[in-house]
Amino acid sequence: KNEVEQSPQNLTAQEGEFITINCSYSVGISALHWLQQHPGGGIVSLFMLSSGKKKHGRLIATINIQEKHSSLHITASHPRDSAVYICAVRSNDMRFGAGTRLTVKP
Amino acid sequence: NAGVTQTPKFQVLKTGQSMTLQCAQDMNHEYMSWYRQDPGMGLRLIHYSVGAGITDQGEVPNGYNVSRSTTEDFPLRLLSAAPSQTSVYFCASSYSRMGAGGPSYEQYFGPGTRLTVT
Repeated sequence: KNEVEQSPQNLTAQEGEFITINCSYSVGISALHWLQQHPGGGIVSLFMLSSGKKKHGRLIATINIQEKHSSLHITASHPRDSAVYICAVRSNDMRFGAGTRLTVKP
Repeated sequence: NAGVTQTPKFQVLKTGQSMTLQCAQDMNHEYMSWYRQDPGMGLRLIHYSVGAGITDQGEVPNGYNVSRSTTEDFPLRLLSAAPSQTSVYFCASSYSRMGAGGPSYEQYFGPGTRLTVT
C-alpha cells in the first residue's frame, strides 16, 4: 500500500464546478505539498501546509494532521485548471501520491 | 533566475550504455533531488543531496550515481542503462526556512528529461 493515497484518480468536471481532490497518508510528516503538473509535463508547487488551511486565488488547501488527510479545492473551475494534481508529504524524504488527473470541460 | 534547468530534454539509449543527466539551479538552494516518474505511479526519489559534498540514497537508487561538487550542480549518472530505467526524470531543488509560523519549504522542479532505453 502506498504511503500517500489520492482520490479520485481521474476527475472530469464542467467549467464552473467546485472540485475536491483528497489525499491521505500513513506516515508522520513535517509538511504536505500540493503540486500541479501541466499537460506539457512541467511541475509547479501550489501549496506547502503543515497545519490548517491556505488559499491562493481559487485554490484552497486544508490539512487535518490528526486524521492524516488533506484536501485541495478548486472553486469556479476553468478549463485551464486541467492538469494532474499531486500530493506529496515530507517525512524522512519526500513521498508522492500517484496524482489526480483533472479535466475541466467548457 | 533560470530556476532549475535539466539537459537533455529527450534521450534514447541502448541497453548497457552510460550517460549523465545534468541538473543545475541558480537559487543557492541547499537541497537537491532526483526523481523518476513512471505511468500510474507517483514520483519516486532516486538520490538527494542536502549540500555540496553530501549525497544520500532515496527510494530507488539502484543503477544510478550522483555527486554534488558545487551547490549549483547535481548530475545523475546511469552506469549501465536498462529498459527498466525508461522513465521521465525530474530534478528539483528546495530550501527550508524556520519562521514564526513554523518550518517553510519550497520546492522547484526542472522541466524533466524523457529517457528511453531500448
